[in-house]
Amino acid sequence: KNEVEQSPQNLTAQEGEFITINCSYSVGISALHWLQQHPGGGIVSLFMLSSGKKKHGRLIATINIQEKHSSLHITASHPRDSAVYICAVVGTDKLIFGTGTRLQVFP
Amino acid sequence: DAMVIQNPRYQVTQFGKPVTLSCSQTLNHNVMYWYQQKSSQAPKLLFHYYDKDFNNEADTPDNFQSRRPNTSFCFLDIRSPGLGDAAMYLCATSIHLGQGAGNEQFFGPGTRLTVL
Repeated sequence: KNEVEQSPQNLTAQEGEFITINCSYSVGISALHWLQQHPGGGIVSLFMLSSGKKKHGRLIATINIQEKHSSLHITASHPRDSAVYICAVVGTDKLIFGTGTRLQVFP
Repeated sequence: DAMVIQNPRYQVTQFGKPVTLSCSQTLNHNVMYWYQQKSSQAPKLLFHYYDKDFNNEADTPDNFQSRRPNTSFCFLDIRSPGLGDAAMYLCATSIHLGQGAGNEQFFGPGTRLTVL
């Protein structure tokens, strides 16, 4: 079993839909990253959070440390949001990556 | 803008021909990382520098070496690339805040390596 699990693995949506991607982890962490990677591209850090909730534009990330769970929400999804979203937890100075969620948003 | 820059973005090399990938940063971060990412897989940490201290992952092949001549630059040298080394190579940086502190990593755009 992976230390960081994401669900769903694949997600398709129509433009405008509200999207949720979930991340559960089994190790102790100091923080959690949500990362975005477009096909063939590099990685962009969307959020790093260690408690509560953060919002940036149409993106919202929440974390529940007690339940070892985080969610990434995208409101009013757009085709340009199509990418792989990766949850990564900060262990002892290293990132432990989730398996990624491939999102496709259709017009 | 402060950022992490990787050059080149695309590199083609021949089997066995040494290749060097470059990473530079204007963030003045003390930690620099090199990751290897193969298609549809999560990035795999190869090694990282904490200032000038080199930290190699146990399963990183000897074929992969790194140099960090100063705070801003870090190089990945692949001494004899094999077909299995074709991948995206990602550089990242962070500020080390101390044990147990969350260190946000900032990623470069990556270098896609093709081995012929």
